Amino acid sequence: GEDVEQSLFLSVREGDSSVINCTYTDSSSTYLYWYKQEPGAGLQLLTYIFSNMDMKQDQRLTVLLNKKDKHLSLRIADTQTGDSAIYFCAESITGANNLFFGTGTRLTVIP
Amino acid sequence: NAGVTQTPKFQVLKTGQSMTLQCAQDMNHEYMSWYRQDPGMGLRLIHYSVGAGITDQGEVPNGYNVSRSTTEDFPLRLLSAAPSQTSVYFCASSQTATNEKLFFGSGTQLSVL
Repeated sequence: GEDVEQSLFLSVREGDSSVINCTYTDSSSTYLYWYKQEPGAGLQLLTYIFSNMDMKQDQRLTVLLNKKDKHLSLRIADTQTGDSAIYFCAESITGANNLFFGTGTRLTVIP
Repeated sequence: NAGVTQTPKFQVLKTGQSMTLQCAQDMNHEYMSWYRQDPGMGLRLIHYSVGAGITDQGEVPNGYNVSRSTTEDFPLRLLSAAPSQTSVYFCASSQTATNEKLFFGSGTQLSVL
C-alpha cells in the first residue's frame, strides 16, 4: 500500500492554533482527507482537498497542500477542548475504494 | 438519520470461535467496506463491495469472509477467531466506489482470547 505518515501526538493549549502534519508518497493522489475520531466513535470526515488545490478553508479549519513535497497540514484555529481527538490523514487516487490512512495524530487540548 | 450502523459494539471471543459482525446503511450506497484499526497502524482495508452481489479483497483479507446479498447489508464473518484478530473493526460506505466521501460506522471492538 501507499505510505502516509503522521506524528503520533500533539498537545496544545486551549485557544492556541493546532497544526497537524502529514506526508504521503503517492504523487498520483487525487484526494487528500482529514478525518476526526473521538473516543469510542467512528471516523468523521472533517474536510478534504483535491490535489489541484493549494489551500481550503472551512471555518476554523485550514488545509494546506504542498504537492511538490507531498505534505498536507491541518490547522485548527482557536483550539477548544472539544477538538481533542485522533486526526487521520488519508489519500486516494480514485475515491472511496482506494483510501490509505496514516496512523493518526492524537491531539490533546490543555485547558 | 441512522447512516452506517454496526453491531455489536463490543465482543469477546475465544480462539477458534466464529462470529459475524453486522453492518447496515440506509443511504442507498453502492460501495461498502470493512477496515480494521490497530494501534500505530492506522486503518487497513479487509474487504469491500462495489454493489450487491459483488465483493473483493482488500489489504488484509485472510481469516475473514464477506457477502453482499442486499444493498443495505455487508456482514463480516470471522471463521475461526485468532488473537491476531483482536482489533477495532469499522464498516464504511460511499455513494459509489469512486465518490470522494466515505462514511464510517461507530465500530466494533473485538477481543479474541
